[in-house]
Amino acid sequence: QQQVKQSPQSLIVQKGGISIINCAYENTAFDYFPWYQQFPGKGPALLIAIRPDVSEKKEGRFTISFNKSAKQFSLHIMDSQPGDSATYFCAASVQGGSEKLVFGKGTKLTVNP
Amino acid sequence: NAGVMQNPRHLVRRRGQEARLRCSPMKGHSHVYWYRQLPEEGLKFMVYLQKENIIDESGMPKERFSAEFPKEGPSILRIQQVVRGDSAAYFCASSPWTVSGNTIYFGEGSWLTVV
Repeated sequence: QQQVKQSPQSLIVQKGGISIINCAYENTAFDYFPWYQQFPGKGPALLIAIRPDVSEKKEGRFTISFNKSAKQFSLHIMDSQPGDSATYFCAASVQGGSEKLVFGKGTKLTVNP
Repeated sequence: NAGVMQNPRHLVRRRGQEARLRCSPMKGHSHVYWYRQLPEEGLKFMVYLQKENIIDESGMPKERFSAEFPKEGPSILRIQQVVRGDSAAYFCASSPWTVSGNTIYFGEGSWLTVV
C-alpha cells in the first residue's frame, strides 16, 4: 500500500490555539516523513521532517510526533497565527529509493484573528 | 522553493493541443521530479529524472505524457493531445545528488487549463 491518509480535511483554529493534523500510513518501508506548507498559487514548501528513529521533533512552533507502532504521525502548530493559514500536506517516502513522495490529500488550516 | 524555476506559470490549451512545461532545477541539483496536483487533492508523483536518464516513471500516464531532462537545458514535461482532465497544477522539484535527507524543493508550479 502506498497510501497516506490525512485528517482533518479542514481545520479552523483561533489565534494562539494549537492546530493538530494527523496522518497514517500503510507501507512499513517508509522512513522519511516530511510536512509541507502550501499557500494559494504557490508551490509546497518543506516545513519540518522526521525519521522513524525518533518519536518527536520540534522546530520553533512546529512539532512532529511519530508513532511507529501505530504507523501514525502528526503535526502540531503551537500558538497558531493568522499567517499560518495555508494548506498542509503530510508525505512519506523510502530513502534510497526513487525518493518519490507519497502525499496526503491536505488539510486547509484557517487561523482566525 | 524560489530556486526551482518553472515556466510558464499559467498555460491555456484547447483540447487536442500540446502542452510543454519547463523546469530549471536549483543550482547544483541534478535530480528532477514532476508532480501533478488536481483541485482539492494532494500532489501525485509522476516521474523522476536525472540528467539524460529517466529513473522512475511509475506515475506517468501511459499515453500522451513524456518527460526529459537533457544534458543541457531545463527538464521538459510534454503533454500531447491534451484533454480537460489534464487541467491541473504541475509542480517540478529538485534535489542534490546526495540521497541523505531526501529533501526536495518545489517550484511554484505551472497551472494548465484545457478548454
